[in-house]
Amino acid sequence: QKEVEQDPGPLSVPEGAIVSLNCTYSNSAFQYFMWYRQYSRKGPELLMYTYSSGNKEDGRFTAQVDKSSKYISLFIRDSQPSDSATYLCAPRSGNTGKLIFGQGTTLQVKP
Amino acid sequence: DTGVSQDPRHKITKRGQNVTFRCDPISEHNRLYWYRQTLGQGPEFLTYFQNEAQLEKSRLLSDRFSAERPKGSFSTLEIQRTEQGDSAMYLCASSLVTGEFFGPGTRLTVL
Repeated sequence: QKEVEQDPGPLSVPEGAIVSLNCTYSNSAFQYFMWYRQYSRKGPELLMYTYSSGNKEDGRFTAQVDKSSKYISLFIRDSQPSDSATYLCAPRSGNTGKLIFGQGTTLQVKP
Repeated sequence: DTGVSQDPRHKITKRGQNVTFRCDPISEHNRLYWYRQTLGQGPEFLTYFQNEAQLEKSRLLSDRFSAERPKGSFSTLEIQRTEQGDSAMYLCASSLVTGEFFGPGTRLTVL
């Protein structure tokens, strides 16, 4: 079993929809939870991160962590065609050291 | 441009040849990471530097791979005796506090 599981999709939604992207993980030592966005043939771009359980909001993006169920979510409100990309969750146990990436979920937002 | 830069962006080589990639992190970032990403997968951790010290290496980093970060500035990743299985995107990231910023990657093709 992989340490971080993420549904690869693809996920296709109409413009303006609310998108929910999810990951599960197995290592209870994870404390920092990152979300990256990656466009085709580009490097990952840091969207946001949370520490421990709880929610964090940044514009149209909300990250949510439930450590009791080892479940990570990213919500995108009012999705735009420019949000079409692969979204990667990446937790880790400390504030430094390696990130453990999920496989990534490919999102397509149709105009 | 003040982001992470990588050189070259693309490298095509024949099996058995040696290749070297360079990463220039964001200035003042003391942490530098190397990851490898294959098509349809999330990045996999290879190694991590804090300043010039290499603090962690993945088991993926066989003895054909070596990384350096002299003087805690730029870093190089060398692959000796390349194999077709080394074909991937090699990503560099840097950070000062939590939240790694990735470069555009070097795409390696081994023929």
